[in-house]
Amino acid sequence: GAVVSQHPSWVICKSGTSVKIECRSLDFQATTMFWYRQFPKQSLMLMATSNEGSKATYEQGVEKDKFLINHASLTLSTLTVTSAHPEDSSFYICSAGRGLLGNTIYFGEGSWLTVV
Amino acid sequence: KQEVTQIPAALSVPEGENLVLNCSFTDSAIYNLQWFRQDPGKGLTSLLLIQSSQREQTSGRLNASLDKSSGRSTLYIAASQPGDSATYLCAVTGTGNTNAGKSTFGDGTTLTVKP
Repeated sequence: GAVVSQHPSWVICKSGTSVKIECRSLDFQATTMFWYRQFPKQSLMLMATSNEGSKATYEQGVEKDKFLINHASLTLSTLTVTSAHPEDSSFYICSAGRGLLGNTIYFGEGSWLTVV
Repeated sequence: KQEVTQIPAALSVPEGENLVLNCSFTDSAIYNLQWFRQDPGKGLTSLLLIQSSQREQTSGRLNASLDKSSGRSTLYIAASQPGDSATYLCAVTGTGNTNAGKSTFGDGTTLTVKP
C-alpha cells in the first residue's frame, strides 16, 4: 500500500485564491520531503526541499513567497500555492525520504491543480 | 547537474510486440533508479525500483535493467497490451550531501499499443 499520501488528488480553484496540498508519510517519519511540479508535456522538476522544523530550500527560479512550504511535523509537509493564477495549473507531486539517510524515496500519488 | 534522457519520446507498436524503453543519465552517483507509469490526467504509478547495487528488477511482464557505470537503464515490456499505453518516466535519485533524496526525471516515453 501507499506509504506517502497526497491530498487532494484533484483541485480546481479560482484565480487569486490560495490552495493547499498535503503530503503525509504514513508509517515513517520523514525529516525531508521534496516537492515537484510538471507542466504540460514537460518533465517533473524539483521545486523545493522541505525540511522538518526549518525553512524549505527552493530551487532556482521558484518563488518562495508564492509556493509556501511548511513541514511542521515529521509526517506532514504542505505546499500552499498563494494567489493562484492559471499559469500555476500543473501536476504537483511530493516525495519523502525514509531511513537513516532519508535515501529511500517514496512518492505520493500527485495532485492536479487547475486554476480557472 | 544530473540530466536524464529518455529515448524514444514516443513509440507506437501493435499489440503483442515486445519493446524496450531507454533511459540514460549523466551522473553515475545515484542511489537508485525508478520507472514510473503516468496515465493522462492521473498520478504516478511506480513500476520498478532498482537500487544502485542491483542490475535488474522484474515484475510480471516488466523487466528493468541498470548499468550504473555507463549511465543507462532499459525497461523491457513483454507481450505489450493496449492497457500498457501510457507515458513511462525514468527517475534517478541522487546521493551525497547535496543531492540525497532528490530525484531527476526524464521527459518520458509515450507508448501507444494498438489493438
